[in-house]
Amino acid sequence: DADVTQTPRNRITKTGKRIMLECSQTKGHDRMYWYRQDPGLGLRLIYYSFDVKDINKGEISDGYSVSRQAQAKFSLSLESAIPNQTALYFCATGDRGRGITGELFFGEGSRLTVL
Amino acid sequence: QQQVKQSPQSLIVQKGGISIINCAYENTAFDYFPWYQQFPGKGPALLIAIRPDVSEKKEGRFTISFNKSAKQFSLHIMDSQPGDSATYFCAAYTSGTYKYIFGTGTRLKVLA
Repeated sequence: DADVTQTPRNRITKTGKRIMLECSQTKGHDRMYWYRQDPGLGLRLIYYSFDVKDINKGEISDGYSVSRQAQAKFSLSLESAIPNQTALYFCATGDRGRGITGELFFGEGSRLTVL
Repeated sequence: QQQVKQSPQSLIVQKGGISIINCAYENTAFDYFPWYQQFPGKGPALLIAIRPDVSEKKEGRFTISFNKSAKQFSLHIMDSQPGDSATYFCAAYTSGTYKYIFGTGTRLKVLA
C-alpha cells in the first residue's frame, strides 16, 4: 500500500458542485500539503498544515478549504467548483523532525475535471 | 509571484546525450535546493538536492551545479536514457518555514 493515499484518483463534476479530495498517510509525518499542478505553471501550494490545530493558506487558497481531521488525514474541499479548478491535485507529507532536508513525499494525484 | 524560474519547458535529447535543466531564484533566504522527478501518472519524488554551501553534488548520472553569486542552479543528466523521460521540477526551500517554491517544470523526452 502507498504511504500517501489520495481519493478519488479521478473525478468529473459540474460547475457549482461541492467536491472533497481526501488524503491519508501512514508515514507518521506531521506536515501535510495540498498542491495543484497545471501545465506550464508547475506545482502551486494551496494549503499546508503542521498539525491538526495549525492550518495555513498557501499561494492559491481562494476557492478552497481544508480540514485536518487527524494527524494522518488532510482533506481539500472545493465548496462550489468552477471550470478553472480543473487540474491535477497532489497531497504531500513531510517530517518536521527531518529539519534541513524537509523532503516531501507525494501521493499519486487526484485528477479533477469541472465541466 | 514566481520566485523560481525554470527553463526550458520541454527538452528532447538523444539516448546517451546530456540533459541540462536550469533554474534561477531571487530570494537569498533559500537554503535548500532539491530536484523532483515525476513520471506520468505518479507524484513527484525527490531525485537529488543541494545546499548553497557547495557548488556541485553528484549522484550517479545526476549532477546539480550551484552558482550562489548568480542565484542559479542546474540539473545535468549524463548519458541520458529513455527511462529518464519524465517531468523535472526544481524547487527552493527555506529551513524552518517548511514551504517549498517549485519551478514550472521541464518535460524531458529521451529518444531511444
